[in-house]
Amino acid sequence: QVQLAQSGAEVKKPGASVKVSCKASGYSFTSYDINWVRRATGQGLEWMGWMSPNSGTTGYAQKFQGRVTMTRNTSISTAYMELSSLTSEDTAVYYCATYGDSYYFDYWGQGTQVTVSS
Amino acid sequence: QSALTQPASVSGSPGQSITISCTGTSSDVGGYNYVSWYQQHPGKAPKLMIYDVTNRPSGVSNRFSGSKSGNTASLTISGLQAEDEADYYCNSYTGSSMVFGGGTKLTVL
Repeated sequence: QVQLAQSGAEVKKPGASVKVSCKASGYSFTSYDINWVRRATGQGLEWMGWMSPNSGTTGYAQKFQGRVTMTRNTSISTAYMELSSLTSEDTAVYYCATYGDSYYFDYWGQGTQVTVSS
Repeated sequence: QSALTQPASVSGSPGQSITISCTGTSSDVGGYNYVSWYQQHPGKAPKLMIYDVTNRPSGVSNRFSGSKSGNTASLTISGLQAEDEADYYCNSYTGSSMVFGGGTKLTVL
């Protein structure tokens, strides 16, 4: 069955960067695009962007342009999301999720808590 | 891209039906049949409930249904059960990105 296993919780200082991983199993990693979505404390879901594991092509939400980088390592079926210049407003649970056959998110990782605190 | 508009909260008694609205624009909800709905329980990852406006993934109860009229999409839950109490989010394709609604907290009384 499809599984997305994310890396563990992180605590970062303001101004630092964080890199979250998402290891896929149960399907061909290069067949479905990976998205990143976050939910800040007390807030709703927020789409950050997508990446094609096949080509490495990316598309980022305007809000995160210049601050987010999505990459992958196909040899280990793992996608990465790196967010730089962290502030307290980036404290959130970050999820990876696959695109389905059209524009929806069908499989989700378990989430990674990122806390930004001095 | 502004978030889609959802009511902050809705409530209903067991067995009743409720509808959650999701209002966007002609550039998102109204322009594409790519509206999806997600259920999220506290501390859990979101779960896909409806995709492409009206389609239900395998394993999702047929008590959940979706529709769209103009720039507004709706999620209807019939025969409310205690386990339906959760946060619900709509999402739409915008042509170049994806946008979520602000979320609706469903309380089963």
